[in-house]
Amino acid sequence: KNEVEQSPQNLTAQEGEFITINCSYSVGISALHWLQQHPGGGIVSLFMLSSGKKKHGRLIATINIQEKHSSLHITASHPRDSAVYICAVTGSNYQLIWGAGTKLIIKP
Amino acid sequence: DGGITQSPKYLFRKEGQNVTLSCEQNLNHDAMYWYRQDPGQGLRLIYYSQIVNDFQKGDIAEGYSVSREKKESFPLTVTSAQKNPTAFYLCASSIQGAIAYGYTFGSGTRLTVV
Repeated sequence: KNEVEQSPQNLTAQEGEFITINCSYSVGISALHWLQQHPGGGIVSLFMLSSGKKKHGRLIATINIQEKHSSLHITASHPRDSAVYICAVTGSNYQLIWGAGTKLIIKP
Repeated sequence: DGGITQSPKYLFRKEGQNVTLSCEQNLNHDAMYWYRQDPGQGLRLIYYSQIVNDFQKGDIAEGYSVSREKKESFPLTVTSAQKNPTAFYLCASSIQGAIAYGYTFGSGTRLTVV
């Protein structure tokens, strides 16, 4: 079993829909990261959080440390949000442990 | 603007040849990392370096080598010993090597071995 599990693996939605991507982890962590990878491959860091909730524009990330679970939400989704969203955690040895990613497609 | 530059973006090599991927950062970050990404899998750590002239093996170091002669540069050589080198390679850096500060990522190099 992977230490970081994301769901769903693939998600297709219509423009304007509210999107939720989930991440569960099984190790102790010091931080959880949400990242975005576009088709060209480059990765952009969206959030780093260790508790509670963060918001940036239409993106919201939450984490529940007790349940070892995090969610990434996108409000009023747009085709330009189409990308792979990756969850990663910083484990006890301070290295990143990566999820396999969620491929999101937003149709106009 | 500060950032990480990886070059080239696409690289083709014949089987059996060594190839070096470049990674340069002007962020004054101490730590640098190399990851490999295969379709449908999470990124896997190849090598990392927390300080100049020092580096550590990651989870999949076999068939790869690195150097860290300058703080700004962390080139990765894919040697002929790497059995399946075709993959997407990503370089990253962070302010402090062992602490969970934010990471900056390069745009990646897609290596195809024919």
